[in-house]
Amino acid sequence: ETGVTQSPTHLIKTRGQQVTLRCSSQSGHNTVSWYQQALGQGPQFIFQYYREEENGRGNFPPRFSGLQFPNYSSELNVNALELDDSALYLCASSFAGGGETQYFGPGTRLLVL
Amino acid sequence: AQSVTQLGSHVSVSEGALVLLRCNYSSSVPPYLFWYVQYPNQGLQLLLKYTTGATLVKGINGFEAEFKKSETSFHLTKPSAHMSDAAEYFCAVMVYGNNRLAFGKGNQVVVIP
Repeated sequence: ETGVTQSPTHLIKTRGQQVTLRCSSQSGHNTVSWYQQALGQGPQFIFQYYREEENGRGNFPPRFSGLQFPNYSSELNVNALELDDSALYLCASSFAGGGETQYFGPGTRLLVL
Repeated sequence: AQSVTQLGSHVSVSEGALVLLRCNYSSSVPPYLFWYVQYPNQGLQLLLKYTTGATLVKGINGFEAEFKKSETSFHLTKPSAHMSDAAEYFCAVMVYGNNRLAFGKGNQVVVIP
């Protein structure tokens, strides 16, 4: 069974640029959630995708957007990067349903200069 | 909205001593509760979770947690700390029908030989 994978592992961008992060969900999972973890903080929920539709969003501006593909993999896109977007971005996959465990990937560390 | 409080960002424990990490949650409806562990430069790994039923939950690596509704708590314990327990620990809450995790700020555990 393949776990959750994310790419790239590290990324350096400059302010104003755009970035795309990728996530492959664990085999058999149909839901993908994205979280942002700033240094020294707990992860913050960005949004979740189920059946290729956004299924809930946290307190993040519209320049954070996503996609889910038919194979349940997902992308997180961030436009007009700001310095505060520097963080570890975590993807988690799960089955849809109440209380289902979310399994996390290793994350993508983004640095915005 | 649900939230989690973890006090004491850094926790030092001697090898062989009790590990106790406190978690209090706020939720208007019965929650699902989780503890995750994060090793350096890695994603989050599930330690244990409470959904329904028995309030004492046993997890991996000798950890356990007890759900106390009257105290809105879900404290994590391990009877005897091992050097390999040095990591960051996050408590999280999920409300049924709202499949997003709300995390606490985390506890960085240092094990002293």
